[in-house]
Amino acid sequence: AQSVTQPDIHITVSEGASLELRCNYSYGATPYLFWYVQSPGQGLQLLLKYFSGDTLVQGIKGFEAEFKRSQSSFNLRKPSVHWSDAAEYFCAVVGDRDDKIIFGKGTRLHILP
Amino acid sequence: ETGVTQTPRHLVMGMTNKKSLKCEQHLGHNAMYWYKQSAKKPLELMFVYNFKEQTENNSVPSRFSPECPNSSHLFLHLHTLQPEDSALYLCASSLGSAGNEQFFGPGTRLTVL
Repeated sequence: AQSVTQPDIHITVSEGASLELRCNYSYGATPYLFWYVQSPGQGLQLLLKYFSGDTLVQGIKGFEAEFKRSQSSFNLRKPSVHWSDAAEYFCAVVGDRDDKIIFGKGTRLHILP
Repeated sequence: ETGVTQTPRHLVMGMTNKKSLKCEQHLGHNAMYWYKQSAKKPLELMFVYNFKEQTENNSVPSRFSPECPNSSHLFLHLHTLQPEDSALYLCASSLGSAGNEQFFGPGTRLTVL
């Protein structure tokens, strides 16, 4: 069965600094991979997704993620964070023959002014 | 209204009450989902409906009873809940189920006294 690990529960960065949120997955084949963001009191919003093809995926709000099969990782990056990026970020995986999406436990991002 | 809406946004109920959560999607999707989001736990998939048919029941206690009268509406009927059922309940929808992006509603914050 597939699984997702987000090793960092909390991450704090200064506004304007670069960001990388880690995500590792466990799945036998190439899964579908997603990053979602959840602002306080809101539902989840999709930032980007990877199905196949180019391993560097561009998303909304200036985010990107890179699929690395050798490391079973799908880390989320942003070159310069803004205070409005403070939120909780979820990595998720779906097997190609499965309709059950598995979410990581989330990483809460704090931004220092 | 656009996207996925949920009502009510907040609900406080006693353990002997019966209440219902409502979800409506205006995206023309055919798959709908209920999730439970508790503090310190991963997002938990509860139910999946595809074309009004339940395709997933993730070992959810019978005090939670879903209903999907059509592809646009999803209900979660609640009765004799426990305090540990207090959580954010999120509804989502997607076009098809396997591997497709899910669009989330803002959630219902449920408190069981």
